[in-house]
Formats: sequence, C-alpha cells, structure tokens
Amino acid sequence: DAGVIQSPRHEVTEMGQEVTLRCKPISGHNSLFWYRQTMMRGLELLIYFNNNVPIDDSGMPEDRFSAKMPNASFSTLKIQPSEPRDSAVYFCASSLTTGAISYNEQFFGPGTRLTVL
Amino acid sequence: DQQVKQNSPSLSVQEGRISILNCDYTNSMFDYFLWYKKYPAEGPTFLISISSIKDKNEDGRFTVFLNKSAKHLSLHIVPSQPGDSAVYFCAASANYGQNFVFGPGTRLSVLP
Repeated sequence: DAGVIQSPRHEVTEMGQEVTLRCKPISGHNSLFWYRQTMMRGLELLIYFNNNVPIDDSGMPEDRFSAKMPNASFSTLKIQPSEPRDSAVYFCASSLTTGAISYNEQFFGPGTRLTVL
Repeated sequence: DQQVKQNSPSLSVQEGRISILNCDYTNSMFDYFLWYKKYPAEGPTFLISISSIKDKNEDGRFTVFLNKSAKHLSLHIVPSQPGDSAVYFCAASANYGQNFVFGPGTRLSVLP
C-alpha cells in the first residue's frame, strides 16, 4: 500500500486566495483526520471523519476552514480566504476504527507545507 | 493550557545508551496514550501505545511506562541508535477516543 497520500506537498499562495489540500487515506481505513502543525501550537487536530461523516470539527480555527469527505478514498481541506497566519504544515492521517473504541494508531501522510504570503 | 506536556525540547544521548523521553498530562480523563516518531519532511509514524489499564508496554527496544497517579509517562529506548534521532511526540485521548491531544515534541539526537 502507498500509505496516506497528500497533495500538493508544497503550496505557496497569496493572502486572500483559496487553498485546497487533498488527501487519499489508506484503502480500507474508515477514519480520517486533518492536523495542523505550527511552531507555536505544535500538532493540533482540526477535524476527523468516521465513515465519511464529520465527527468532531471543534479544532477547525474559524469559518474560513472547511473539510469534506465525499467518499471513502478522498478528502479535502479548504481555506478561503487564506491568511498569512494559516502558514503551517497540514497533515492528513487515517486509521481503521471498529466500534466506538479505537485502539488503533493513526497513519500519517507526508504533509502539505502551506505558505501564505 | 497544554494538556499534554513534554518539558524537554531536546535530548542528546550517546549511541548504545538509554534514551528516556518524558511526557506529563493534566487531564485525568486521558486513558490511552501513543508515542510517535517524526523525521524531517515526513509525517509522524506510530511507535508504541499504552492503555490506562497497564503500567508498562514493551516492543523491542521501546518500552513505555505509565504512572497514572503522577499523570506521567515515559518512553525508554534501549539501546539507542543513530537512526532513532528524530522528534518524538506523546499523544493522549480520553474514553479511548480518536481525538488525540499531542505534546509539543522532544528532539532526540543519538550521537555515534
């Protein structure tokens, strides 16, 4: 398996532009997570999905951020409009969850480094 | 306020010796803990986990100890190898859930 795939690996954009980050989870995994890593705040969970349904989006910083998972093999994280403070590395992770309790580790993608000028 | 703390930003250890990475947490509801390792330009990779019903879990050179009364866990790497040089994150969740809170990480350097 190729693991979790994220694209693009690097994105440089100007303030005010729309940014879309993409993620393909590991085949067969039913949970998907979006994280953001910054120097100031470390690794933060933004949102996660179970079986394509958003379960907890309390980590999404504000309305400029939105995430979708239209099917089991694809998810997007969109920032519109982008701001310089959104500059960070964004990670997608997936796991296999059975029942209400997850003992399984999350497998991370390589991340997308976003720079907003 | 940080719920998961890793108070040592960095640690240097000689090859072959023991590396001990520490993690403290404040939320008494946390009952499941993970350690991840991260190399530059890569995503974190899972190392080892421990549930609150245990106080120790071992996997090869890696052992995690959990002291629930002190809200403290530690990762021991024995013997340390240069390939272990990376940033190590401690993560915790409550109710065995999927909403993990990560610590800020400790950068381990294993010197040959």
